[in-house]
Amino acid sequence: DTAVSQTPKYLVTQMGNDKSIKCEQNLGHDTMYWYKQDSKKFLKIMFSYNNKELIINETVPNRFSPKSPDKAHLNLHINSLELGDSAVYFCASSQGLAGVYEQFFGPGTRLTVL
Amino acid sequence: DAKTTQPPSMDCAEGRAANLPCNHSTISGNEYVYWYRQIHSQGPQYIIHGLKNNETNEMASLIITEDRKSSTLILPHATLRDTAVYYCIVRVGGGADGLTFGKGTHLIIQP
Repeated sequence: DTAVSQTPKYLVTQMGNDKSIKCEQNLGHDTMYWYKQDSKKFLKIMFSYNNKELIINETVPNRFSPKSPDKAHLNLHINSLELGDSAVYFCASSQGLAGVYEQFFGPGTRLTVL
Repeated sequence: DAKTTQPPSMDCAEGRAANLPCNHSTISGNEYVYWYRQIHSQGPQYIIHGLKNNETNEMASLIITEDRKSSTLILPHATLRDTAVYYCIVRVGGGADGLTFGKGTHLIIQP
């Protein structure tokens, strides 16, 4: 069973379109994250959610809107896609806020904006 | 979070121990040392973490110096599948903060 899954794995779209990436974790974790890895391979946190509540928003443009319908899901919706949004997006989860917990990452979604 | 410094790349022969160093001279007393790795085209994978004492699990060992200003990740018997970028991350234990990834060390296992 996949612990953290993302769909789609690849996403190719035109500038200006709106797209969503879905993330699900079956680990029973309370905290979920979105990371972006750009073409230079730098991996940066975008958002973190705990029990469906936004905790961290790392100065991400408001065209990016995460949505957490329940603790097991954290989806990323992106409006008006731009060329610079091309990257690999990783979802991750961890057990909670208090304590020392490792993060489990999904396989990534490679977004290409043309 | 404290900044870390790692060599950009290292080679290791298959079957030998791979020793990956990390400097974190500004680490605070409540900050842990975490190691993750990213195999090509995959999501990062947790390896190990520690606070003060040396730690060992099924994947690796973590040696932290007494002053906590540096650490070494040891893969005891490296295989070709261990070729990856290894990230040393220093952060406090709790909180929903994301991980701050640096450039890491690209470890290449040679056959």
